[in-house]
Amino acid sequence: QVQLVESGGGVVQPGMSLRLSCAASGFTFNTYGMHWVRQAPGKGLEWVSYISYDGSKKYYPDSVQGRFTIFRDNSNNTLYLQMNSLRGEDTAIYYCAKVRPGPYPAPPKNWGQGTLVTVSS
Amino acid sequence: IQMTQSPSTLSASVGDTVTITCRASQSISNWLAWYQQKPGKAPNLLIYDASTLESGVPSRFSGSRSGTEFTLTISSLQPDDFATYYCQQYDNFSPWTFGQGTQVEIK
Repeated sequence: QVQLVESGGGVVQPGMSLRLSCAASGFTFNTYGMHWVRQAPGKGLEWVSYISYDGSKKYYPDSVQGRFTIFRDNSNNTLYLQMNSLRGEDTAIYYCAKVRPGPYPAPPKNWGQGTLVTVSS
Repeated sequence: IQMTQSPSTLSASVGDTVTITCRASQSISNWLAWYQQKPGKAPNLLIYDASTLESGVPSRFSGSRSGTEFTLTISSLQPDDFATYYCQQYDNFSPWTFGQGTQVEIK
């Protein structure tokens, strides 16, 4: 079965960097687009980034554009999110998610358990 | 593309039929999904392409579209359905955006 396990979260000071990882198993990783989605404490869901199956297409919302970078290692079935210049408003649980099978575009279907990032001095 | 979801909170009883609405700021065709999220858990995909029920999701959940307005209907609300629901648009080449969420509470 599909399994997604995030890691790399923690407490970091404003302006610092952090890299999240998402280890994928149970499916052919290099054939699916992947997302990062976050949720601030007590708040709603916010889409953070998307990467195509081969890494050739990447999309971000304005809130993280230029600070966050999504990338993947298909040889190791791992998705990453490099987060630079972190701000307090980046504090959230970060989920990685796999798109559902089918033609593009497709919504996220399988989600990890999330990893908490806290940006605080 | 902005997604306006309403209501933010909904109080209902077991057996009720409830409706949640999302309005897109521009055309997104049928590129809309609905998720259920329970406290401390990741979201669960219920419906995609506006009205297609995801495998394993009970048939009391249904989705529909009228122009840029999308509706999630839960028929005969069950105790397990009390949760927060989100819409998400995934229109091609646009940033994916979620609605603000609707918390379905026990009346």
